[in-house]
Amino acid sequence: GDSVTQTEGLVTVTEGLPVKLNCTYQTTYLTIAFFWYVQYLNEAPQVLLKSSTDNKRTEHQGFHATLHKSSSSFHLQKSSAQLSDSALYYCALNNNAGAKLTFGGGTRLTVRP
Amino acid sequence: NAGVIQTPRHKVTGKGQEATLWCEPISGHSAVFWYRQTIVQGLEFLTYFRNQAPIDDSGMPKERFSAQMPNQSHSTLKIQSTQPQDSAVYLCASSLGSWGLQDTQYFGPGTRLLVL
Repeated sequence: GDSVTQTEGLVTVTEGLPVKLNCTYQTTYLTIAFFWYVQYLNEAPQVLLKSSTDNKRTEHQGFHATLHKSSSSFHLQKSSAQLSDSALYYCALNNNAGAKLTFGGGTRLTVRP
Repeated sequence: NAGVIQTPRHKVTGKGQEATLWCEPISGHSAVFWYRQTIVQGLEFLTYFRNQAPIDDSGMPKERFSAQMPNQSHSTLKIQSTQPQDSAVYLCASSLGSWGLQDTQYFGPGTRLLVL
């Protein structure tokens, strides 16, 4: 089956500095879509970014990610972290076989002043 | 739009009791999903419905867990004979059900279940 790996469980970054959250995957499907969800404390996960196009940069709310099928990755980046970015981030894979999402283990981002 | 509604938000049960969790999807959405969230396992898929029909229950524990969608406006997840390891946040999500890869799932706030 599909698997999604987020290598860092915790990431701490200083406000104003860049941040990168890693996400890699394994799947046998050629046609896939990827999502980044963000979950603030005591709230529902909400979609931040999504993409199904190889090598195309997707941006939203200052974050960006590019699906690279050659390296099986969909890393999330931001050039300048804000205190309000502190949250739990999940990347998730949708293959062509069904609608369920396969999630990575999540990365908790803490932005400190 | 009210978003996905889940009730109750918190539920405490004793070991061996039954728990029923409710989900009201976004109006017009034809796909409903259930996930379980724990610190150790993260977000795990349980089951999903499309146009009220069960499509995939591959993530459901075969014993004690069941899900239904009797009409387009609500779905239930029932756990019989609850065990402490069932303690988790149960999340419901809905989507347009467009069959497209980027069909976005919108999550509810979850039901936090604690089994004592």
